Amino acid sequence: AIQLTQSPSSLSASIGDRVTITCRASQGIASALAWYQQKPGKAPNLLIYDASSLESGVPSRFSGSGSGTDFTLTISSLQPEDFATYYCQHFNSYPITFGQGTRLEIK
Amino acid sequence: EVQLVESGGGLVQPGGSLRLSCAASGFTFSRYWMNWIRQAPGKGLEWVANIQQGGSAKNYVDSVKGRFTISRDDAKNSLYLQMNSLRAEDTAVYYCARDPRGAPNFDYWGQGTLVTVSS
Repeated sequence: AIQLTQSPSSLSASIGDRVTITCRASQGIASALAWYQQKPGKAPNLLIYDASSLESGVPSRFSGSGSGTDFTLTISSLQPEDFATYYCQHFNSYPITFGQGTRLEIK
Repeated sequence: EVQLVESGGGLVQPGGSLRLSCAASGFTFSRYWMNWIRQAPGKGLEWVANIQQGGSAKNYVDSVKGRFTISRDDAKNSLYLQMNSLRAEDTAVYYCARDPRGAPNFDYWGQGTLVTVSS
């Protein structure tokens, strides 16, 4: 199975900061990567698919990039509602796997 | 409005069985791949299984192969997960989720149903 490793596992940031989360795949997955945001007690919310396509209704401050094995999720200017846990997920082959998550906290 | 509502979770003893259901509304259910994804308490997300439109293709994570069966009833707009030989490590919130593009990734999720496997 393809393993996804996110870094950092947690980070603290302030409102207005630019934040980047990295996801590294154990083998090449082309652009078959998605990003999700999850808040406590809620189901995840799809942010980005195909590595860089913004899901409908998601604010434009979220962006994704990368291909092959290295991917990033960037939040250009943190808003209060962005403090949550973020997961990457590949869909290159079965089994589908998720990264371990990155917890974004308020500094 | 797209809605996915899971049911059927609960407390079950190791070795027992449980059947989860997911009722879909607000979209043409038969046109989409559907998935089950789980999250153990305080842990990350784990994809469990998916099923193609019409039920012709199914995929499973290795840890549930031979124990879990995914199925669907397009006439009832419902997705199911039959879980047998349950283990403590199957304890999790189980979500059903829609795959919008057959990619698969997941654009709509239910609220989840908690399965606890314990004696």
